[in-house]
Amino acid sequence: GQQVMQIPQYQHVQEGEDFTTYCNSSTTLSNIQWYKQRPGGHPVFLIQLVKSGEVKKQKRLTFQFGEAKKNSSLHITATQTTDVGTYFCAGPSGNQFYFGTGTSLTVIP
Amino acid sequence: GAVVSQHPSRVICKSGTSVKIECRSLDFQATTMFWYRQFPKQSLMLMATSNEGSKATYEQGVEKDKFLINHASLTLSTLTVTSAHPEDSSFYICSAQVGSPGNTIYFGEGSWLTVV
Repeated sequence: GQQVMQIPQYQHVQEGEDFTTYCNSSTTLSNIQWYKQRPGGHPVFLIQLVKSGEVKKQKRLTFQFGEAKKNSSLHITATQTTDVGTYFCAGPSGNQFYFGTGTSLTVIP
Repeated sequence: GAVVSQHPSRVICKSGTSVKIECRSLDFQATTMFWYRQFPKQSLMLMATSNEGSKATYEQGVEKDKFLINHASLTLSTLTVTSAHPEDSSFYICSAQVGSPGNTIYFGEGSWLTVV
């Protein structure tokens, strides 16, 4: 069945280092959405990418949607302790909506 | 932005009893509502998808008689965990969506259920 995998599952970085999480879907997605879940909180919408090859930036965060619309990445430049949390990619395929397995980011001060 | 309210945020119940969790879209009408279960440090597991006025569509492996979902209006969906057992203890999150599956999903704050 449909799978959306993210790697790595966990990532520990020193504050100031960069971080990247990769999202791979087994099927083509209509669009890709990214969510952030802080420890103990609920997922919060970050951004949506729709076009093949699209790149969007939000301050230190850079989001990319693959040409085949089956993969995406989120890159954080110069991480801060406020970046701590789990990052999920998600997207629709047909009438279903799928969440990635998530990448948990820990930032060491 | 859109707000989805979930209640209660935390609930403790005795084994064998039933618990109801409410999910409300406060400032928009949700075409579709989703219910998820999340285990510690894991991703969201979709339990069921519900559309207003129709029966919920349950994911494989989710017992529909145990997890009763009602979507009576465009702003309210409820999840009832019937005859709860300790293994049902978990974080349950609802989300709501307007329009097509490609639209943004807005999450409730989640409900921590502990069955003792």
